[in-house]
Amino acid sequence: EVQLVETGGGLIQPGGSLRLSCAASGFTVSSNYMSWVRQAPGKGLEWVSVIYSGGSTYYADSVKGRFTISRDNSKNTLYLQMNSLRAEDTAVYYCARDREACPLAYWGQGTLVTVSS
Amino acid sequence: SYELTQPPSVSVSPGQTARITCSGDALPKKYAYWYQQKSGQAPVLVIYEDSKRPSGIPERFSGSSSGTMATLTISGAQVEDEADYYCYSTDSSGNHRGVFGGGTKLTVL
Repeated sequence: EVQLVETGGGLIQPGGSLRLSCAASGFTVSSNYMSWVRQAPGKGLEWVSVIYSGGSTYYADSVKGRFTISRDNSKNTLYLQMNSLRAEDTAVYYCARDREACPLAYWGQGTLVTVSS
Repeated sequence: SYELTQPPSVSVSPGQTARITCSGDALPKKYAYWYQQKSGQAPVLVIYEDSKRPSGIPERFSGSSSGTMATLTISGAQVEDEADYYCYSTDSSGNHRGVFGGGTKLTVL
């Protein structure tokens, strides 16, 4: 069974850094396209970043240069390093896995990041 | 940047057909995908590649696409279908970035 569990969220001051983790089970992270999607309180979904199985990475303009997606194959875990955080980065962050022909087919439960002083 | 446009809300009575649209310039070249999100839950994929239904999704959910518009249709909507629905796609510039529509709140009452 595919499972995704996000951790690492919390309250952080503007300008600070945070690293989110997404522990996967039931499949191999490095063999799949893995993404981060966020949702600000009361707002819609926003695509954030993707890492392909070959290692290529892509980012939304709103986070490019500040966020870095990566994975640790030995831990079967996906990460999102978030630097220079802003109030507008406040959101629930979901990790998601693609399935053949189906982007974002599996989702974790999300972790809340609050950027506030 | 590329945008997908959805109506903010759609309302139907139980048993009626609900249609939710999604417009985007790249949709003639790119597939549309649809996600259902119920309150407090993670999204669930209900339609992929414009019109295909994942296993476990009820047959009353269907999708279509024509030109710059994709449509999610729920035939005989039920109270449990009340949720936010998001279309998703990528633009045609080759930048590998995903984009969601703004979401449509479906009310069934």
